[in-house]
Amino acid sequence: NAGVTQTPKFQVLKTGQSMTLQCAQDMNHEYMSWYRQDPGMGLRLIHYSVGAGITDQGEVPNGYNVSRSTTEDFPLRLLSAAPSQTSVYFCASSPSGRNEQFFGPGTRLTVL
Amino acid sequence: GDSVTQMEGPVTLSEEACLTINCTYTATGYPSLFWYVQYPGEGLQLLLKATKADDKGSNKGFEATYRKETTSFHLEKGSVQVSDSAVYFCALTFGNQFYFGTGTSLTVIP
Repeated sequence: NAGVTQTPKFQVLKTGQSMTLQCAQDMNHEYMSWYRQDPGMGLRLIHYSVGAGITDQGEVPNGYNVSRSTTEDFPLRLLSAAPSQTSVYFCASSPSGRNEQFFGPGTRLTVL
Repeated sequence: GDSVTQMEGPVTLSEEACLTINCTYTATGYPSLFWYVQYPGEGLQLLLKATKADDKGSNKGFEATYRKETTSFHLEKGSVQVSDSAVYFCALTFGNQFYFGTGTSLTVIP
């Protein structure tokens, strides 16, 4: 099993550009989530999904969109990138919301 | 709302020293509690967990006990190694959301 995979590993954007961060898992987990990690702030939940077709907002959803058309994939879209979105983004999956989460390796995003 | 507060770092210890990283939580119900570890340039990995009061999670010499009366889940290790150098995160989940602490950086020197 590959576990949780994320692409790309690094990305540089200009302010106003859009892009999609990809996340996939091969463990048949129902629960998937996106976090951003910023110095001194730990991990903050952006969006999560409890199954295909179901998504919900986390703590810091503004500026991000998600969709969950399949169990395996959970892409994160930045609609119009801003410097405040410079961060490391982690995708995670879990059998359910109360179980341990399995994390991907992260995407380091810089917005100029 | 639900939240986690953990000891701020960074923490620097000599090899074979004892480690304690404090973690306290606020939750409206009965959460599951976790410690995750993050090595440089990597994602988070589960270190240990406890799902109900008085449970003790343990792994790789690390331990933490779910204390409902003090709402705490402190991480302990009796003898740290250089390879334990990493960032440690306390976390809780209740319902469908995870809440993480800000992380504590540990450096172990030979």
